[in-house]
Amino acid sequence: QVQLQESGPGLVKPSETLSLTCTVSGGSISSYFWSWIRQSPGRGLEWIGYVYYSGSTNYNPSLKSRVIISVDTSKNQFSLQLTSVTAADTAMYYCATYYYDNSAAGSWFDPWGQGTLVTVSS
Amino acid sequence: DIQMTQSPSSLSASVGDRVTITCRASQSISTYLNWYQQKPGKAPKLLIYAASSLQSGVPSRFSGSGSGTDFTLTISSLQPEDFATYYCQQSYSTPFTFGPGTKVDIE
Repeated sequence: QVQLQESGPGLVKPSETLSLTCTVSGGSISSYFWSWIRQSPGRGLEWIGYVYYSGSTNYNPSLKSRVIISVDTSKNQFSLQLTSVTAADTAMYYCATYYYDNSAAGSWFDPWGQGTLVTVSS
Repeated sequence: DIQMTQSPSSLSASVGDRVTITCRASQSISTYLNWYQQKPGKAPKLLIYAASSLQSGVPSRFSGSGSGTDFTLTISSLQPEDFATYYCQQSYSTPFTFGPGTKVDIE
């Protein structure tokens, strides 16, 4: 059973870069896609983007200019970098497995990590 | 972007009640619709994928239906552990988007 765990600073200063890592256990990262999702009272659940183990990515256009999602297969980890953060980026950040079904049943997020709260404040 | 709406935004119900939550997409998404349950302080958990397929391990009292723009999540007999917030999510096109949630609490 795949499990995910987010890690990273809980406090980031405005204009700086938010950096989080998700460690995958119980399975190889060299399968599936891997995603970041955030949740805040004002924005609800917001998909940030996903990365394939090969390194190919897909980002939410609303964040695309500030986001980099990368994968490190040697460590079974993937990471999120969000630049030039503001208070609006304060949120609970989740990593999740993005499962894509080739039989055209669609795609979904499962499982999710427990989440990590990131606050943007000076 | 595809906008997702849910109704009601909240509801009160009793154990044993049949509960229905509606999700609507701003354009047709076929059956590319998922449902998640979130309890306070926890991450969302997948309940239903592809509009009507029950995720492994999820109790059979949960069911989903719909296609196109209108979808429904039904809990046939509400249990104490089902009090939570429920979200729909479209996977038809990126950016993937979620509904605002429906909070189910105890009447």
